[in-house]
Amino acid sequence: KQEVTQIPAALSVPEGENLVLNCSFTDSAIYNLQWFRQDPGKGLTSLLLIQSSQREQTSGRLNASLDKSSGRSTLYIAASQPGDSATYLCAVGRRQFYFGTGTSLTVIP
Amino acid sequence: DVKVTQSSRYLVKRTGEKVFLECVQDMDHENMFWYRQDPGLGLRLIYFSYDVKMKEKGDIPEGYSVSREKKERFSLILESASTNQTSMYLCASSFHFLPGYRVEQYFGPGTRLTVT
Repeated sequence: KQEVTQIPAALSVPEGENLVLNCSFTDSAIYNLQWFRQDPGKGLTSLLLIQSSQREQTSGRLNASLDKSSGRSTLYIAASQPGDSATYLCAVGRRQFYFGTGTSLTVIP
Repeated sequence: DVKVTQSSRYLVKRTGEKVFLECVQDMDHENMFWYRQDPGLGLRLIYFSYDVKMKEKGDIPEGYSVSREKKERFSLILESASTNQTSMYLCASSFHFLPGYRVEQYFGPGTRLTVT
C-alpha cells in the first residue's frame, strides 16, 4: 500500500520568506501527484497537479516538482504572505489517491 | 468550474441513528470518493465508486455503506451511528485514472458530523 509522508508537520516563517514543503511516497508507480491547501474547517482546494511524465508545474508564486525515482515532491512558495497560512496536503494517485497528513504553515506578519 | 456539493455543513445525530450524507458533482466524473478526516490521522478513504452502482471498499469501510444510483450522486450511509464516527467527512470526484491523463481530484466543502 502507498504511504505518503510530509515533513515537517508544522512550519512557522516570517512574511516574505521563500519556503519549501516536502512530500515523499513509497511506490513510484503513480499517475499523478496533487498538492492541496486546506483552511481550518474547510474542504480541500487544489493548487497544482503534476502528471507522472512531468517534472514540475507552476502557478503564480507556487512551484511543485516531482522526482519519481526518489519518491519525492516539493512545493516551493515564493515570497510568503499571511494569507498563505493553511495546511498543505500532497496526494499521489494511481487508481485512487493516497494522502499525507499535511504541513501546517503559519506565515507571521 | 467543477462543483462538488455536500448536503450539510454541520450535522448532529444521536447514537444508533441512521445517517445519510449526500454528495453531488456536476462534471460528469466517473470516480467519486468518501473520506473521513481526523486530527493526526489525515484523510482516510472509506469507499469509492468508479461507475454507477459500482463501489469498492477503501481503508476503513467498517460501519459504513454507500449508494451510487446516478452518476452525479454518491451517498454515504452510517447504518447505526456511533460516537467514534464523529469526524469531518469529505466527498471528492475525478475522472478515471489513466496513464498519461491529467486527472485532478475535486473536493466538496465537507460535513462536520457529531454523534452524541
